[in-house]
Amino acid sequence: LAKTTQPISMDSYEGQEVNITCSHNNIATNDYITWYQQFPSQGPRFIIQGYKTKVTNEVASLFIPADRKSSTLSLPRVSLSDTAVYYCLVGSRNRDDKIIFGKGTRLHILP
Amino acid sequence: DVKVTQSSRYLVKRTGEKVFLECVQDMDHENMFWYRQDPGLGLRLIYFSYDVKMKEKGDIPEGYSVSREKKERFSLILESASTNQTSMYLCASSSGGSQSTEAFFGQGTRLTVV
Repeated sequence: LAKTTQPISMDSYEGQEVNITCSHNNIATNDYITWYQQFPSQGPRFIIQGYKTKVTNEVASLFIPADRKSSTLSLPRVSLSDTAVYYCLVGSRNRDDKIIFGKGTRLHILP
Repeated sequence: DVKVTQSSRYLVKRTGEKVFLECVQDMDHENMFWYRQDPGLGLRLIYFSYDVKMKEKGDIPEGYSVSREKKERFSLILESASTNQTSMYLCASSSGGSQSTEAFFGQGTRLTVV
């Protein structure tokens, strides 16, 4: 399973765009990149998933360069409620593949 | 909406007790997972099941066992609870396969072993 590396913590201000980068140098050909968000005392919640180039939904954008060795989660115009831990995962869509979390990035939004 | 329900939100057990944590999902998902979460350590996978009666060890299976007799239910068993098993336990399910690997989580069970 590809291992991921992301910053331990980040601070930003309300209204700013926040970019969290994740490194996954050993990503396999059939691996997808997935991001989750976790608020205190809750389970993680799926944000976005992609394979290559750019994926956008109502919550975030995911940028994946051609070599796929890294990815960037972009949160537009953050608010205080975006304060959470963000996890980057890589893994295949094979039926019997485990879902492995790292330690995540603790994002703190300041007023 | 997918619902993953864990039987208890908070649980206090004594050292040496046998503890059962139950998890039920209502979306006919193939895959179910048990994690524990401790400060500074992120989520660590204990066990995983991709079908009824099938199980695979995760990163930290020692001291735990699991049971999946029905597709919708995945139980985590602490054979003899110890204080170092005090933690937040999270259950998740996913459909697996080519459609999506999105995992849906329960609300968590905060277990304290005294």
